[in-house]
Amino acid sequence: GAGVSQSPSNKVTEKGKDVELRCDPISGHTALYWYRQSLGQGLEFLIYFQGNSAPDKSGLPSDRFSAERTGGSVSTLTIQRTQQEDSAVYLCASKKNGGYEQYFGPGTRLTVT
Amino acid sequence: AQTVTQSQPEMSVQEAETVTLSCTYDTSENNYYLFWYKQPPSRQMILVIRQEAYKQQNATENRFSVNFQKAAKSFSLKISDSQLGDTAMYFCAFFNTNAGKSTFGDGTTLTVKP
Repeated sequence: GAGVSQSPSNKVTEKGKDVELRCDPISGHTALYWYRQSLGQGLEFLIYFQGNSAPDKSGLPSDRFSAERTGGSVSTLTIQRTQQEDSAVYLCASKKNGGYEQYFGPGTRLTVT
Repeated sequence: AQTVTQSQPEMSVQEAETVTLSCTYDTSENNYYLFWYKQPPSRQMILVIRQEAYKQQNATENRFSVNFQKAAKSFSLKISDSQLGDTAMYFCAFFNTNAGKSTFGDGTTLTVKP
């Protein structure tokens, strides 16, 4: 079946612009995660959605970052007034209810110039 | 909060040889899962192997096996008969079943040399 997809695969934007990154999880997966990965580094947790529960936003680095998940499926991560330090790969993962393994998308590479 | 430490930023191994990647973690949880993920240059994270904390038997997946020492909070990955396609960054991850979230180590870049 189809895996997790993310779009765009690459995004170049100017400092101060807003960007939206999209994640399509595996159909039927109830949990969805966003991570940020700086060049050659580990994964930094950003936000976690589980079903209809309130999302865990504890990893969002500033109020410029927000995310929503519509209809329990597609999620959008929005970064407002982008800064150069926002440049990174943004990874999305989904997980089925009752499972423990996360399935990752290919990521979006964001470059802020 | 959990922490995951991978003390080897980079490693290399000759093709067909065996290599072990280290991972230690710190937690007060009793129920959790541990994972090793592989991230090749293509960026796609792929699950290599997983270990349930309540199982004493070490997990094995073909050429990949783990040495899980729960008391020592250690979870190393052994790759046998290394292949060029094993070249990638490897991440150790701790999944907190209560919180529903994972904590990842900083990764080990493995290069398999011909």
